[in-house]
Amino acid sequence: EVQLLESGGDLVQPGGSLRLSCAASGFIFSMYVMDWVRQAPGKGLEWVSGISSGGDYRDYADSVKGRFTISRDNSKNILYLQMNSLRAEDTALYYCLIRPTTPVGGWGQGTLVTVSS
Amino acid sequence: DIVMTQTPLSSPVTLGQPASISCKSSQSLVHTDGTTYLSWLLQRPGQPPRLLIYKISNRFSGVPDRFSGSGSGTDFTLQISRVEAEDVGVYYCMQSTQFPHTFGQGTKVEIK
Repeated sequence: EVQLLESGGDLVQPGGSLRLSCAASGFIFSMYVMDWVRQAPGKGLEWVSGISSGGDYRDYADSVKGRFTISRDNSKNILYLQMNSLRAEDTALYYCLIRPTTPVGGWGQGTLVTVSS
Repeated sequence: DIVMTQTPLSSPVTLGQPASISCKSSQSLVHTDGTTYLSWLLQRPGQPPRLLIYKISNRFSGVPDRFSGSGSGTDFTLQISRVEAEDVGVYYCMQSTQFPHTFGQGTKVEIK
């Protein structure tokens, strides 16, 4: 069974940093493209970033480009999102997921990031 | 960016009756590799999204066959043949063809 477990969310001041992690199990992590998606309170879904299976290709939403960095450790089956220069508008529930382009689908439970002074 | 427009935004349905949601994209979702990366998700109240359909019409494992997807190019549809109580929630379409990936606004399905 595919499992994705996010962690690292917290309350942080504007301008601060956080690193989110997503521990994957139940599938061959190194074979799949992964994404981060976020959902602000009471709002819809926003794609944040994606990374290729080997980690060599990365893409970002304009809203986070230059501030967030996606990475992965295929030896540990973990996906990361390093978040710097955080703003109030980054407040959201952050989900990791297997990019929904193959029969193997999975979406985590989410980790909450709150940016506030 | 590709804009995904869903209709209706709210859909009161009767248990056992069909339901249909439309999703239109501002550009063709056919990738250069020839595949159309259009998926559907359901977010039940208080829960994370759940993947239902990928590549227009393929159901993920465990998704009941009352859910079906269709369409091509810029016009796509999710159909529920007979709505059950557990189908209540917000449905989203998502395109993974072009960066940035984008979602529809969501369609809230509730029981009449």
